[in-house]
Amino acid sequence: NAGVMQNPRHLVRRRGQEARLRCSPMKGHSHVYWYRQLPEEGLKFMVYLQKENIIDESGMPKERFSAEFPKEGPSILRIQQVVRGDSAAYFCASSPNRAPPLHFGNGTRLTVT
Amino acid sequence: GENVEQHPSTLSVQEGDSAVIKCTYSDSASNYFPWYKQELGKGPQLIIDIRSNVGEKKDQRIAVTLNKTAKHFSLHITETQPEDSAVYFCAATNSAGGTSYGKLTFGQGTILTVHP
Repeated sequence: NAGVMQNPRHLVRRRGQEARLRCSPMKGHSHVYWYRQLPEEGLKFMVYLQKENIIDESGMPKERFSAEFPKEGPSILRIQQVVRGDSAAYFCASSPNRAPPLHFGNGTRLTVT
Repeated sequence: GENVEQHPSTLSVQEGDSAVIKCTYSDSASNYFPWYKQELGKGPQLIIDIRSNVGEKKDQRIAVTLNKTAKHFSLHITETQPEDSAVYFCAATNSAGGTSYGKLTFGQGTILTVHP
């Protein structure tokens, strides 16, 4: 069974560019969460999605950030006009239903230069 | 909202010793408490979890205890090995109810180092 797959593993963007992070949940999982981890900190919730629906985006900045989980294909976290403060590790997790446990991918490490 | 405090931030032990990491939470409605192990360059890996209807759970060398009255829970690792060295995170959430789901609030992490 493949786990949660995230790509790319590393992403370097210049200030002002767009970053797209992709997440394929575990097989059979239709619930996806995105978390952000700043250096030497714990993980912070960003957004929770089910197929074609955003359920809770309370942890996501109001501007420049968006997320989707289409009927077909991976979940996408999109960051427009990146700034240096967006540099972090972004983790995706999935679950088969609304309840935990959550299974995490290995993350995408975004560096903004 | 929920707030989770984790201590200590770093922990150094000799191989074979026990290690204990403690977390406190603020929301009395929280009912699910997982522990994750994160190795360098990897994502968090679930190692054990406990729900509020039990006070203790064991899995080989790992155990978790929960005190709902005091709102704290602890991770116990016995007979530590060098491969246990990693960052450990506790988390909490209220996973019951129609509007609840697996939205975890994490502690700040504990860097565990096991010396051979």
